[in-house]
Amino acid sequence: AQRVTQPEKLLSVFKGAPVELKCNYSYSGSPELFWYVQYSRQRLQLLLRHISRESIKGFTADLNKGETSFHLKKPFAQEEDSAMYYCALLTGTASKLTFGTGTRLQVTL
Amino acid sequence: DAGVIQSPRHEVTEMGQEVTLRCKPISGHNSLFWYRQTMMRGLELLIYFNNNVPIDDSGMPEDRFSAKMPNASFSTLKIQPSEPRDSAVYFCASSLGRRHTGELFFGEGSRLTVL
Repeated sequence: AQRVTQPEKLLSVFKGAPVELKCNYSYSGSPELFWYVQYSRQRLQLLLRHISRESIKGFTADLNKGETSFHLKKPFAQEEDSAMYYCALLTGTASKLTFGTGTRLQVTL
Repeated sequence: DAGVIQSPRHEVTEMGQEVTLRCKPISGHNSLFWYRQTMMRGLELLIYFNNNVPIDDSGMPEDRFSAKMPNASFSTLKIQPSEPRDSAVYFCASSLGRRHTGELFFGEGSRLTVL
């Protein structure tokens, strides 16, 4: 069965410091991974997907199949990055997304 | 498009009462998902539909929970009878399916409090 693990419930960093939100997965098939973000009082929304290999709002994430990880990184945290971040694994033909338990990122001055 | 629309936004009810949450997916999307969000467990998939047909309901906690999708533009999640441990935010999401991008579009959620 598929599983997504986000080991940290809360990550607190100073503004300007590097950020790494951890995500590990287990899945027997070929994984497709995503990061979703939920800002305060906003809808949960897609941040980035691994197949796009894109940088969104300064965030990047690289799929490491050897370590079964998909960590989210940003070199310099900004206050507006404070939000809840969910790692998600896509399986099945109908887009079944399995989410991790989420990590709250808190960026302080 | 207004996006995925959920109602009610907030519901406070007493234990034992029936609760019905409603969802209107984005027009043209053929997959619909119900998730539950709690502090302890994060986002849990309850059930999802593809072309109005339930595909996987293994996440539905117990028989007190039921979901229907009578047509492509409407779905309900019902809890009967409700219990305090059902208190959570319930999200509905829709998608064009994996053949597209796999991206889910979420509603604003229904916050349920069972006293």
